[in-house]
Amino acid sequence: QLQLQESGPGLVKPSETLSLTCTVSDGSLTDTYYWGWIRQSPGKGLEWIGIISHTGATYYNPSLQTRLSMFMDMSKNQFSLTLDSLTAADTAIYYCGRRVNYFDHWGQGTLVTVSS
Amino acid sequence: EIVLTQSPATLSVSPGDRVTLSCRASQSVGSDLAWYQQKPGQAPRLLISGASTRATGIPGRFSGSGSGTGFTLTITSLQSEDSAVYYCQQYYDWPPRYTFGQGTKLEI
Repeated sequence: QLQLQESGPGLVKPSETLSLTCTVSDGSLTDTYYWGWIRQSPGKGLEWIGIISHTGATYYNPSLQTRLSMFMDMSKNQFSLTLDSLTAADTAIYYCGRRVNYFDHWGQGTLVTVSS
Repeated sequence: EIVLTQSPATLSVSPGDRVTLSCRASQSVGSDLAWYQQKPGQAPRLLISGASTRATGIPGRFSGSGSGTGFTLTITSLQSEDSAVYYCQQYYDWPPRYTFGQGTKLEI
């Protein structure tokens, strides 16, 4: 059974960069899927962040694309994101997931708080 | 951006009841719509894709219908474990511009 697990800092200061990693178990990033990130905050509900393919092709939410990067580490079966210039509005639970158009597998989520 | 509007925002029902949740899209998404269930402290769980196809392991009590701009999720023989927030998501656009509805909270 495919499993995904997010990891990263729980607290980040405003203006700093967030780095999150998703580790995939019992599945391979070389499979022909896209892998993605979604976040959930009380004020904005569920928000799609971006997806990355097994070839490294990326598609980002236009509202985040100037601050966002996603990449894969096939050797570790991980994919990651970095989000720059954080503000309080980026405070959310961040989920990673496997995208088959919709998201059929999700990680448990990791809470990221942006605060000084 | 395609906006999804779910109604009602909250619904209180009794065990054994049948409920219908609505999701309306601001423009046609064909059948490219999914439904998720989210319980407190958990990630969303895929229920329905392609507007009407149940995901693996989802009970037959859950059914989806609709196309274009109007969609419904119907749950029959409600059980206490069905208490959750239900979200719809469209995946019509390419390049992707995925959006989610704001959710319907179901209280049993």
